[in-house]
Amino acid sequence: AQTVTQSQPEMSVQEAETVTLSCTYDTSESDYYLFWYKQPPSRQMILVIRQEAYKQQNATENRFSVNFQKAAKSFSLKISDSQLGDAAMYFCAYQGKGSGNTGKLIFGQGTTLQVKP
Amino acid sequence: EAGVVQSPRYKIIEKKQPVAFWCNPISGHNTLYWYRQNLGQGPELLIRYENEEAVDDSQLPKDRFSAERLKGVDSTLKIQPAELGDSAVYLCASSSFQTYEQYFGPGTRLTVT
Repeated sequence: AQTVTQSQPEMSVQEAETVTLSCTYDTSESDYYLFWYKQPPSRQMILVIRQEAYKQQNATENRFSVNFQKAAKSFSLKISDSQLGDAAMYFCAYQGKGSGNTGKLIFGQGTTLQVKP
Repeated sequence: EAGVVQSPRYKIIEKKQPVAFWCNPISGHNTLYWYRQNLGQGPELLIRYENEEAVDDSQLPKDRFSAERLKGVDSTLKIQPAELGDSAVYLCASSSFQTYEQYFGPGTRLTVT
């Protein structure tokens, strides 16, 4: 079974600085999707960035970028120029693409990010 | 484009009472998911629908939980009777066949006393 692990329960960063959130996963599949979701106190789960496993190029969305290391099964999120609005719980998630998959997202335990002014 | 709509946002009930949650997915999205999120944890899938068919309900506690998606659009998730351990946030998400991204609603926070 696939698992997703986020080993940092809490992280903090100074406003305008850069922070990296870690995520590792375990799977026997060769093709899959990886996501980072942001969940502020309002509870709305917001998609931050996505990566397809067959693409070697790391995904980037404005201030958000990932470091995808397929062999190491690592998928970290880098937030540059951190803003107060980035404060939230961040979840790493895995979704398989094989014939037996049903589109289920498998989430990590989450990392709470605090941004200090 | 309107997002995924859920109601109610909050619900407080006593144990053994019934409760129902409603979800309206993004227009045109064929696939609908219900997830449960316990405090301080990531969401876990309860059930997935493709149109009106439940294609994965393996994690749904069928003794007390039920769900339906009539006409392949709106969906209702019901718990009867509720137990203290059912206190959680219930999230609905939807996606289309053409894309793999799931979009979530704001969730319903259920408190069972």
